Amino acid sequence: NAGVTQTPKFRILKIGQSMTLQCTQDMNHNYMYWYRQDPGMGLKLIYYSVGAGITDKGEVPNGYNVSRSTTEDFPLRLELAAPSQTSVYFCASSYEGGGGPVSGNTIYFGEGSWLTVV
Amino acid sequence: AQSVAQPEDQVNVAEGNPLTVKCTYSVSGNPYLFWYVQYPNRGLQFLLKYITGDNLVKGSYGFEAEFNKSQTSFHLKKPSALVSDSALYFCAVSPRGGYQKVTFGIGTKLQVIP
Repeated sequence: NAGVTQTPKFRILKIGQSMTLQCTQDMNHNYMYWYRQDPGMGLKLIYYSVGAGITDKGEVPNGYNVSRSTTEDFPLRLELAAPSQTSVYFCASSYEGGGGPVSGNTIYFGEGSWLTVV
Repeated sequence: AQSVAQPEDQVNVAEGNPLTVKCTYSVSGNPYLFWYVQYPNRGLQFLLKYITGDNLVKGSYGFEAEFNKSQTSFHLKKPSALVSDSALYFCAVSPRGGYQKVTFGIGTKLQVIP
């Protein structure tokens, strides 16, 4: 009953370093998302994917990249870390069955990754 | 553009008293509405959602929410608060029809006082 699993839980990066946040889900969901959460700002969508091989930008994509080679995995890449990317990152997934009334877009979240850039 | 407003940063309530966490929304057409809860250092957990039908929706842990179309509100309620209900609560909305982006509110911190 794993759901959405993301790693690492905590990471400290130096400015300019690169890293990848890993995310995998075992619910066979077609949609996957990356959000960041900053105090008092709620959740902001970084990138999302509607299926393997398809990704699209969300509200705050600058400084990030994603890929979706399989249904299960959706890694988030930070190429040149900046202090503004200090945040809590959440991977999430949902099943979108074509927009009928039972779809409802319920999103299931991972436990979060706390990233500090110094 | 769709939006969600949670007008209270924090709600304090005594244990055993009823609680209400407010949410209003703006969206084209009929909405899907959600409440999520986040405990410290954890991810968001789904509480309940309104899709269609009865305006009173019952969810996990004794929570319920009432959809009011005329007031564009979806307030979260519980008849008797527990200390363990203390957490951050997020309201969210999405339009109907195919995949639609879900918009989250900024969250309301619920503090239940023993």
